Amino acid sequence: KAGVTQTPRYLIKTRGQQVTLSCSPISGHRSVSWYQQTPGQGLQFLFEYFSETQRNKGNFPGRFSGRQFSNSRSEMNVSTLELGDSALYLCASSFGNRYEQYFGPGTRLTVT
Amino acid sequence: KNEVEQSPQNLTAQEGEFITINCSYSVGISALHWLQQHPGGGIVSLFMLSSGKKKHGRLIATINIQEKHSSLHITASHPRDSAVYICAVDGNQFYFGTGTSLTVIP
Repeated sequence: KAGVTQTPRYLIKTRGQQVTLSCSPISGHRSVSWYQQTPGQGLQFLFEYFSETQRNKGNFPGRFSGRQFSNSRSEMNVSTLELGDSALYLCASSFGNRYEQYFGPGTRLTVT
Repeated sequence: KNEVEQSPQNLTAQEGEFITINCSYSVGISALHWLQQHPGGGIVSLFMLSSGKKKHGRLIATINIQEKHSSLHITASHPRDSAVYICAVDGNQFYFGTGTSLTVIP
């Protein structure tokens, strides 16, 4: 069974631009969660989608948004990029609440 | 305010030693997760607990719901166990500890 895939793996953007990251969950998984990891703040929860509905959202500004498609693939978008958005963005999929999460390899975003 | 506190932050052990990493949390949770992250970023889920104790090979995880505390134990540690171990709790959202960086010396 293929694991969680994330594209692209690496990305360099300029301040003020926007970016879209993609996550393909394990087949059969309907829940996708997104996380940001930085050296200073560690891992932080961004949002969780289940069957195309956002179930939970972390404490991030509205510049961070996401969506989930009917095939459970998910995208997250960051608009008006800031230097502080440079981070590793991880997604994880699961069958749903209270199930083990499987993490993708992450997308490393650098904002210059 | 940190919803999840982990200790120690850094740990160096000799191969074969018994290792314990602790996690305390302050929010109501439906489950607690122990994660392992190797250099390069990949994260693997080791355990998901809502009560009691689980064991996978040399790894044991326990949780005390009343005391809001969990421990991860590694028996007979090995250099390949060197990684960052992260405690995460599933409350109204996911909260993460800052991680414990473990180095096991041959």
